[in-house]
Amino acid sequence: GAGVSQTPSNKVTEKGKYVELRCDPISGHTALYWYRQSLGQGPEFLIYFQGTGAADDSGLPNDRFFAVRPEGSVSTLKIQRTERGDSAVYLCASSLIGQGIDTQYFGPGTRLTVL
Amino acid sequence: GENVEQHPSTLSVQEGDSAVIKCTYSDSASNYFPWYKQELGKRPQLIIDIRSNVGEKKDQRIAVTLNKTAKHFSLHITETQPEDSAVYFCAANGAGGTSYGKLTFGQGTILTVHP
Repeated sequence: GAGVSQTPSNKVTEKGKYVELRCDPISGHTALYWYRQSLGQGPEFLIYFQGTGAADDSGLPNDRFFAVRPEGSVSTLKIQRTERGDSAVYLCASSLIGQGIDTQYFGPGTRLTVL
Repeated sequence: GENVEQHPSTLSVQEGDSAVIKCTYSDSASNYFPWYKQELGKRPQLIIDIRSNVGEKKDQRIAVTLNKTAKHFSLHITETQPEDSAVYFCAANGAGGTSYGKLTFGQGTILTVHP
């Protein structure tokens, strides 16, 4: 079946603007994760959803970052007042059960560039 | 929180040789250790994983070993091929409760296999 998809694939914005990044998980996967990957680094955890609720948002860097998953499927990562330091590839992953016991499948990422 | 250290940062081998990448983790409660391969500009893809109730797992040319006492795990690739060239990331899951869903990644190893 279809894998995890993310849109847009690339997003260029100006400092101070608001952006939304979308993730479509694998159908039927209850858990959804957002990570951020800077050049030459490993993915860095941001937030993890179990169903509609955020089970762990300890990785969100500050209150400019927010994510939702209102129907337990598609998720949107929202970044307010973007800063140049927010530039990175934002990766979404999903897994069937979650709770750290099953494989996380990654999407292709959204490359965010803040000018 | 969990901390994962990965070595070496770069590894260069001749085709047919073996490659070994090592990771250490800090939290003794972690119980799931996946390895991902990431080609340039592509999404991370799971190549093998191990859970803490086993010490070794093998899948064709790839094997992973886990030493829970020492809190380290290693990836072994035998009979390397040029198409094995990529960045490899180790990861460990979170410390318990809802954080079990969260993966902490190592810094990555750039593997180059020369024909």
